[in-house]
Amino acid sequence: DIQMTQSPSSLSASVGDTVTITCRSSQAVSNYLHWYQQKPGEAPKLLIYGTSTSQRGVPSRFSGSGSATEFTLTISSLQPEDFATYYCQQSFTIPQNFGQGTKVAIK
Amino acid sequence: QVQLQESGPRLVRPSETLSLTCTVSGGSLSNIYWTWIRQPAGKGLEWLGRIYPSGSTNYNPFLKSRVTMSIDTSKNQLSLNLKSVTAADTAVYYCARESNTGWHAVEYWGHGTLVTVSS
Repeated sequence: DIQMTQSPSSLSASVGDTVTITCRSSQAVSNYLHWYQQKPGEAPKLLIYGTSTSQRGVPSRFSGSGSATEFTLTISSLQPEDFATYYCQQSFTIPQNFGQGTKVAIK
Repeated sequence: QVQLQESGPRLVRPSETLSLTCTVSGGSLSNIYWTWIRQPAGKGLEWLGRIYPSGSTNYNPFLKSRVTMSIDTSKNQLSLNLKSVTAADTAVYYCARESNTGWHAVEYWGHGTLVTVSS
């Protein structure tokens, strides 16, 4: 299995800050890396797929980059509605594991 | 707009079988992978497996031989069976659909249903 490790596990930030979350895979996953946002009591929402392609309707302040085993999700100018937990997921191999999540909290 | 709705017993006794159904509306089941994911309270997402309309499946090895997924295209429904459950199987269970972009990201999610394993 490919293990996905996110860092940090949690962070505190203020509205307007730029936030970067890192996801590392134990093996290369090509660009089969996706990012999800989950708010309490809700299902996750797809933000970014294929490393860097934004899902339709996702604000442009969300961007993804990376390759092979290291990927980042950047949120520019953090907005109040962005406080949530973010997960990465690889779909290069089965099982399509998720990272453990990164909680973005209000400072 | 594709919508997914999970249904089934909310309480399952230890050692018994957890059975959930997912009803899909707003689209057919054809030519796309359908996925089951779960989330224990306060924890992260666990990919359980996926099924293609042909019936082809991929399961997460950590479930070993306990899991079975099926699909009924005539009813637009998916099913998940997990046998010999323990308290560790208590979680919110989501059915979901992969995107049709070829990247296999999970694009559509059900609301999720909490299943508790307890006597």
